[in-house]
Amino acid sequence: RKEVEQDPGPFNVPEGATVAFNCTYSNSASQSFFWYRQDCRKEPKLLMSVYSSGNEDGRFTAQLNRASQYISLLIRDSKLSDSATYLCVVKGASKIIFGSGTRLSIRP
Amino acid sequence: GAGVSQSPSNKVTEKGKDVELRCDPISGHTALYWYRQSLGQGLEFLIYFQGNSAPDKSGLPSDRFSAERTGGSVSTLTIQRTQQEDSAVYLCASSLRHGQGIRKETQYFGPGTRLLVL
Repeated sequence: RKEVEQDPGPFNVPEGATVAFNCTYSNSASQSFFWYRQDCRKEPKLLMSVYSSGNEDGRFTAQLNRASQYISLLIRDSKLSDSATYLCVVKGASKIIFGSGTRLSIRP
Repeated sequence: GAGVSQSPSNKVTEKGKDVELRCDPISGHTALYWYRQSLGQGLEFLIYFQGNSAPDKSGLPSDRFSAERTGGSVSTLTIQRTQQEDSAVYLCASSLRHGQGIRKETQYFGPGTRLLVL
């Protein structure tokens, strides 16, 4: 079993739709969680950190469920510019694991 | 301000040769990370430095890979006797500090070095 697992997608949704991704992790001692975004042939960039109580940044909402060991990302009112690969990141004391990413494609 | 820079941006080499990849982190960032990403794949964590020390080298794929960081700034990733399966994009990232809470752990990535081993 991979340490961090994501549905690779692709998710193909119409503009304006709400879409959600989950990411599961296996190490219960994991300490920090993030969502990064990667556009084609570009480097990853931080989308948002994931706080224990959940957090929202505009159209994006991140949640952490330590009991079930998953994090989620919700995108509301999706835009064409949201098309990208979304990477889940789980950090421990000495290790950082990136998920393989979920591809999202927003269609007009 | 300057971001993370990496050099070379592209490297083509022959199987069996050694290559050296360089990363200049953001000034003031004490943590530095190396990853590699094969075509269409996720990021594979290789190693990280907090200051000049690398607490965990277990992510390096083989003993042909080594990394060092001197002066708490620039880091080099060396691949000896390159193999075709080493072909990938090697990404470097830096953060203020590792393990000091989310706000200091945000990683900023360089543009990567695209390595092709023929």
